[in-house]
Amino acid sequence: EADIYQTPRYLVIGTGKKITLECSQTMGHDKMYWYQQDPGMELHLIHYSYGVNSTEKGDLSSESTVSRIRTEHFPLTLESARPSHTSQYLCASSPPNVQGPNEKLFFGSGTQLSVL
Amino acid sequence: DAKTTQPPSMDCAEGRAANLPCNHSTISGNEYVYWYRQIHSQGPQYIIHGLKNNETNEMASLIITEDRKSSTLILPHATLRDTAVYYCIVYAGGTSYGKLTFGQGTILTVHP
Repeated sequence: EADIYQTPRYLVIGTGKKITLECSQTMGHDKMYWYQQDPGMELHLIHYSYGVNSTEKGDLSSESTVSRIRTEHFPLTLESARPSHTSQYLCASSPPNVQGPNEKLFFGSGTQLSVL
Repeated sequence: DAKTTQPPSMDCAEGRAANLPCNHSTISGNEYVYWYRQIHSQGPQYIIHGLKNNETNEMASLIITEDRKSSTLILPHATLRDTAVYYCIVYAGGTSYGKLTFGQGTILTVHP
């Protein structure tokens, strides 16, 4: 089992606030991902990174931004939260030197964000 | 990546085998079949994957038909803790590695 941590677990915040969702992993994984999931719905990839200083947008457009200054850390930021940002945000990582079909994703427990 | 089709929900009695089907009729030769599950309010958890041979690990078995157009995930002795959403994903890696497409999955309910 990979150790991947997300904080906070739950966040309730007012409209217009700036927020940062934290994601850290201690397994030395080079690839990291952010997914967004509404209740009972599919997961959508919103950001990914293949290593330090690498960030890419995913398949679902998102107003959030990410950074990857350290291998173990991949925070997601919303500059001005809105009710439409209410969702669950899931962070994942996968190990180095494993690409393609044998790659496995390890997920954190998620952050449930509610914007009032 | 090929799309998959799964039943929206299934029930299983505790202690019995749970057999979860998945159709992937447009799968191409280099695509693997992956299974993940998501227990309520948690992140998805990897279960198993395979290309064309049947696979078994400590969690489950994966049976892939000879034409590779469908597969079945088998939980041999389901427990209440196996209640979750099960996702079948086909994935080839390459330039899209890591970018798995999670559909709506199958909600498996294990009852006493």
